[in-house]
Amino acid sequence: TQLLEQSPQFLSIQEGENLTVYCNSSSVFSSLQWYRQEPGEGPVLLVTVVTGGEVKKLKRLTFQFGDARKDSSLHITAAQPGDTGLYLCAGARGGADGLTFGKGTHLIIQP
Amino acid sequence: GAVVSQHPSWVICKSGTSVKIECRSLDFQATTMFWYRQFPKQSLMLMATSNEGSKATYEQGVEKDKFLINHASLTLSTLTVTSAHPEDSSFYICSARDRMADTQYFGPGTRLTVL
Repeated sequence: TQLLEQSPQFLSIQEGENLTVYCNSSSVFSSLQWYRQEPGEGPVLLVTVVTGGEVKKLKRLTFQFGDARKDSSLHITAAQPGDTGLYLCAGARGGADGLTFGKGTHLIIQP
Repeated sequence: GAVVSQHPSWVICKSGTSVKIECRSLDFQATTMFWYRQFPKQSLMLMATSNEGSKATYEQGVEKDKFLINHASLTLSTLTVTSAHPEDSSFYICSARDRMADTQYFGPGTRLTVL
């Protein structure tokens, strides 16, 4: 069974601070996705990383895929209250396969 | 982006009844759809893969006779929870794979409460 360990599970910081969320596995994934989920809604895709060492930026969010394609990180710069939510990483074994999700990181940004 | 809908968005039923949940891809064809379950404060767990025109494949520990999946067209998959019990209460979320974009898009989820 391929597992994704996500850390931290809970994080509460002040507005303006930076933070990093980690997603680690002992297995190789063909791709890794980051999602954000609001209560009572489905997850919304933020980014997909495919190539080892790849770095993608989405405004204040920076996503990195490890060289060995086993881990990934999400870095948020100057966090804002609107960034509050559940962040999930998910790995795909292949393009047509279902996703394996990490346990998620509950992020709270206090004004 | 692509849109996936689910119906109903929430349902309350009595123990022992069956409930059908629909998942539709609105602006693309999906030969593959996936069903996930999410318990409170937990992450999504893949239940099964729904393939258009063929039998679904279930993850280990998921009862195929309890969770019936039908993928009769390229835009619709249904999940039927048969003889539902309170422990089946959960948030059920589907995703549809857009083969052209090689991306999965998630539906808004269905909240099932079994009394």
